[in-house]
Amino acid sequence: SSELIQDPAVSVALGQTVRITCQGDSLRSYYVSWYQQKPGQAPLVVIYGKNIRPSGIPDRFSGSSSGNTASLTITGAQAEDEADYYCNSRDNNGNHYVFGPGTKVIVL
Amino acid sequence: EVQLLESGGGLVQPGRSLRLSCSSSGFNFAGYALSWARQAPGRGLEWLGFIRTETYGGTEYAASVEGRFTISRDDSKGIAYLQMDSLRSEDTGVYFCAREIHAATTTWYYDLWGRGTLVTVSS
Repeated sequence: SSELIQDPAVSVALGQTVRITCQGDSLRSYYVSWYQQKPGQAPLVVIYGKNIRPSGIPDRFSGSSSGNTASLTITGAQAEDEADYYCNSRDNNGNHYVFGPGTKVIVL
Repeated sequence: EVQLLESGGGLVQPGRSLRLSCSSSGFNFAGYALSWARQAPGRGLEWLGFIRTETYGGTEYAASVEGRFTISRDDSKGIAYLQMDSLRSEDTGVYFCAREIHAATTTWYYDLWGRGTLVTVSS
């Protein structure tokens, strides 16, 4: 089982805002990175560190963190944002990396 | 073109071994740590392990594969390897390699991924 907790699925109406969360004790010490994965494709980093978007990632993606919870927010969700989203950080002992179980974002 | 490409996947019987390769192009492979991750059919991503650069040395593995999987690298060829021994049916999945960027002690991310290679463990 993952030491990072994510909701299995969330839905959002087209153009609305959705927040995906990732919980874990290690998040008090480490930032998460967030990955978008569409069927049959490799993951793509969308946010890392303290809300840093890699080049080419739309500014509707943003990140935040408080205590043991990190969040990925999509402001004005588009149809192409429908995907699985995974957080990645350290495990509770800080010894290994770990992915969260993933959240499926459904755009209605 | 900057890319990673996994190879070596296929059908293998339980208990046997398989070696995957992660070939790089378009960047200084020696300057980056490399991670391996996998994804079982219909499941989420699972981090398997990583190898640091020659400068820092060393590897780390997930508990689920420690002792069975070994990661190595050949910087002269720009290739990382995942040696998988004593394979089990639950090792079936798509295996990805990914390049790590360490922006700070508490901040890292995987900025470049291969397309993955499918490993099927079945008799």
